[in-house]
Amino acid sequence: SAVISQKPSRDICQRGTSLTIQCQVDSQVTMMFWYRQQPGQSLTLIATANQGSEATYESGFVIDKFPISRPNLTFSTLTVSNMSPEDSSIYLCSVEDLSGSSYEQYFGPGTRLTVT
Amino acid sequence: ELKVEQNPLFLSMQEGKNYTIYCNYSTTSDRLYWYRQDPGKSLESLFVLLSNGAVKQEGRLMASLDTKARLSTLHITAAVHDLSATYFCAVDRGAQKLVFGQGTRLTINP
Repeated sequence: SAVISQKPSRDICQRGTSLTIQCQVDSQVTMMFWYRQQPGQSLTLIATANQGSEATYESGFVIDKFPISRPNLTFSTLTVSNMSPEDSSIYLCSVEDLSGSSYEQYFGPGTRLTVT
Repeated sequence: ELKVEQNPLFLSMQEGKNYTIYCNYSTTSDRLYWYRQDPGKSLESLFVLLSNGAVKQEGRLMASLDTKARLSTLHITAAVHDLSATYFCAVDRGAQKLVFGQGTRLTINP
């Protein structure tokens, strides 16, 4: 199974600032996904990060607010820009395990962001 | 637009009892996932269901899929306290992009 790490695990930030979240996978993957989980809520897909091309954003999410980088097949970053308290959430990256035929999708440990 | 609905959203049950969580989805999909989330933790993958009639079991949990009815169930047998968590179903809308249900918060009382 894919092993995913994220940095930082949590942070408290002031409104108006930006935070970059890192996601590292222990194997090469074609697509990496970023999800948001607002307090007490379910998960919502923010964007899909493909190596060598622009990220694809879901409705309601824009590149200016959530710029994404994907420099190689094992790493991606998500930046939360010009933060407001409404951005307080857990941000998770996810990948599909391509090592077999399981079609498993794994999630990183998450980054818990609090904006004050 | 694919919609995924779980019920119940909250479930409190006694140890030793059986219960079922339901996951309905609105459009055809090839894959359905079940995850567990403990408070303050990430998601733990439980099951991936790929075809109509698929049934998978792990310990006291069993998941099934009826693609014609667009329904998946997660059945809990003889519940124990350690199974207390929030359970999510998620449906692949294509290209590995998941749409999640609201989650079912399960509390199992001794």
